[in-house]
Amino acid sequence: KAGVTQTPRYLIKTRGQQVTLSCSPISGHRSVSWYQQTPGQGLQFLFEYFSETQRNKGNFPGRFSGRQFSNSRSEMNVSTLELGDSALYLCASSLGGQAETQYFGPGTRLLVL
Amino acid sequence: KNEVEQSPQNLTAQEGEFITINCSYSVGISALHWLQQHPGGGIVSLFMLSSGKKKHGRLIATINIQEKHSSLHITASHPRDSAVYICAVRRGTSYGKLTFGQGTILTVHP
Repeated sequence: KAGVTQTPRYLIKTRGQQVTLSCSPISGHRSVSWYQQTPGQGLQFLFEYFSETQRNKGNFPGRFSGRQFSNSRSEMNVSTLELGDSALYLCASSLGGQAETQYFGPGTRLLVL
Repeated sequence: KNEVEQSPQNLTAQEGEFITINCSYSVGISALHWLQQHPGGGIVSLFMLSSGKKKHGRLIATINIQEKHSSLHITASHPRDSAVYICAVRRGTSYGKLTFGQGTILTVHP
């Protein structure tokens, strides 16, 4: 089976722009979670989608949003980018049950100038 | 205080040494994960534990639910084990949501 894929892998944007990141889960996985990793804050949970519904949300401002499509692919969007949004954005997929291993993608490295 | 604390933050070892990384958490959990992150960012899930002990090759993970503590052991360490090891917990019914420790940077010298 192919692993979790994320596109693009690298991205440079300027302040005020918006960005959309994509995540394709492992075939058959219905849950996609998104995480932000920065040197200062480490890994933090953004949100989780299951069967096209947001099931859980972290403590991020409304500029961070996401969605999931019927094929389980997910996108996250960040509007009005700030310098502090520079980070590695990781998605992880799982079957969707409560206590399951999550499989991580390679991440998208976003630099905001 | 962070909900998940790891120690040590940095660990340097010689090839062949036995290594232990500790993780303490302060909340009720349904599962604890040990993750490995190599330079470049990719994260691999090593173990998911809700009780007891698991072993995979040279890696052993244990958890004590009553003491809210977990350990990751690496036997006969090798330079390829050099990576960041991250402990993460899942609380109750928090589907998909993991809360992470700050990570332990392990460097194994030949």
